[in-house]
Amino acid sequence: KQEVTQIPAALSVPEGENLVLNCSFTDSAIYNLQWFRQDPGKGLTSLLLIQSSQREQTSGRLNASLDKSSGRSTLYIAASQPGDSATYLCAVMNRDDKIIFGKGTRLHILP
Amino acid sequence: DVKVTQSSRYLVKRTGEKVFLECVQDMDHENMFWYRQDPGLGLRLIYFSYDVKMKEKGDIPEGYSVSREKKERFSLILESASTNQTSMYLCASRTGGVSTGELFFGEGSRLTVL
Repeated sequence: KQEVTQIPAALSVPEGENLVLNCSFTDSAIYNLQWFRQDPGKGLTSLLLIQSSQREQTSGRLNASLDKSSGRSTLYIAASQPGDSATYLCAVMNRDDKIIFGKGTRLHILP
Repeated sequence: DVKVTQSSRYLVKRTGEKVFLECVQDMDHENMFWYRQDPGLGLRLIYFSYDVKMKEKGDIPEGYSVSREKKERFSLILESASTNQTSMYLCASRTGGVSTGELFFGEGSRLTVL
């Protein structure tokens, strides 16, 4: 059974720093992995989708990597800003078509 | 710009009332999903639909039903609301075919059952 883990559950970093958020999964037989951002009381906003054949995707200051063999994905945020404060979730799509979400990392950027 | 619209952002209902949560997407997506999100429990799948008139139970379907009469609209129904259904409800959609599969979410509906 696929399990998706995001550690740490919460993270505070000073503004301007580069940071890495982690997502690990137990079954490497996936179709893709997607990163989301969620602001308090809102829905999830899609940030990046990585297909299983890809190793990374980039969008602006965000870069997501995927290493299926080790069951890991990272979301790299460059030059963090207070507006990046949010909860970041990863989700894995299994080959049985189930989507498994992590519980998220709550990120706080200190001004 | 892609859009998933949930009809109500905030609802307050009384125990025993029938509740309708509506979700509309404008991306011609085949697949639609209803989740609930609770602190400490994460997102849990209630029901999903792979096409019009189709529906499948997710992980926690008890106390809920759904309707998909048109491709763009997926409704979640609470036949008789209970206090343990107080939650944030999230609708999502994606194109059919798992090779693409980017998931898009609505803004969420916060339901309080008194």
